[in-house]
Amino acid sequence: EAGVVQSPRYKIIEKKQPVAFWCNPISGHNTLYWYRQNLGQGPELLIRYENEEAVDDSQLPKDRFSAERLKGVDSTLKIQPAELGDSAVYLCASSGDHADYNEQFFGPGTRLTVL
Amino acid sequence: RKEVEQDPGPFNVPEGATVAFNCTYSNSASQSFFWYRQDCRKEPKLLMSVYSSGNEDGRFTAQLNRASQYISLLIRDSKLSDSATYLCVVNQDYKLSFGAGTTVTVRA
Repeated sequence: EAGVVQSPRYKIIEKKQPVAFWCNPISGHNTLYWYRQNLGQGPELLIRYENEEAVDDSQLPKDRFSAERLKGVDSTLKIQPAELGDSAVYLCASSGDHADYNEQFFGPGTRLTVL
Repeated sequence: RKEVEQDPGPFNVPEGATVAFNCTYSNSASQSFFWYRQDCRKEPKLLMSVYSSGNEDGRFTAQLNRASQYISLLIRDSKLSDSATYLCVVNQDYKLSFGAGTTVTVRA
């Protein structure tokens, strides 16, 4: 079974440029998460989707970050404009039915460098 | 104060040694607890859940103390392949809070 797929794996941009990351979760997983992981830190949740609904976006910096999951499957996270402090690894994760807590499976991440 | 705090290490141990480390969490309403493992430049992967009664998975033993808001992980008979960063994770209402990780290096 395919895991969580993310692209691109690496992205280098100049500050003030826009950037977008794409995630395809594990088939059948209704819940999708975007995390940001800074060097030497644990992942921090940016947004959680249940199907196509963003149920927790309290940690998403809405002035420059946006996300969408239009058909409840793939998701895109965008930053516009990027700042130097946005350099990090952006991880997508998915999990199954929330009848009980289910393991979150992470993708390989997109490593963003803002110059 | 961070929600989950861990000793960053590094713990540098010889093969076959036992290593133990812990984390503390601030939210007493936290509902479930986990240890994730993250290899260098890789994604986190679930190592094991942590139950109140304590639980083992092979060479790994996890303990939870809700009264002290403290979680521990013990690795027995360390292998070279155990070298990684171990992330302490706390769940409340399906939101995971990660610690910064404890780095373990097992040397031959």
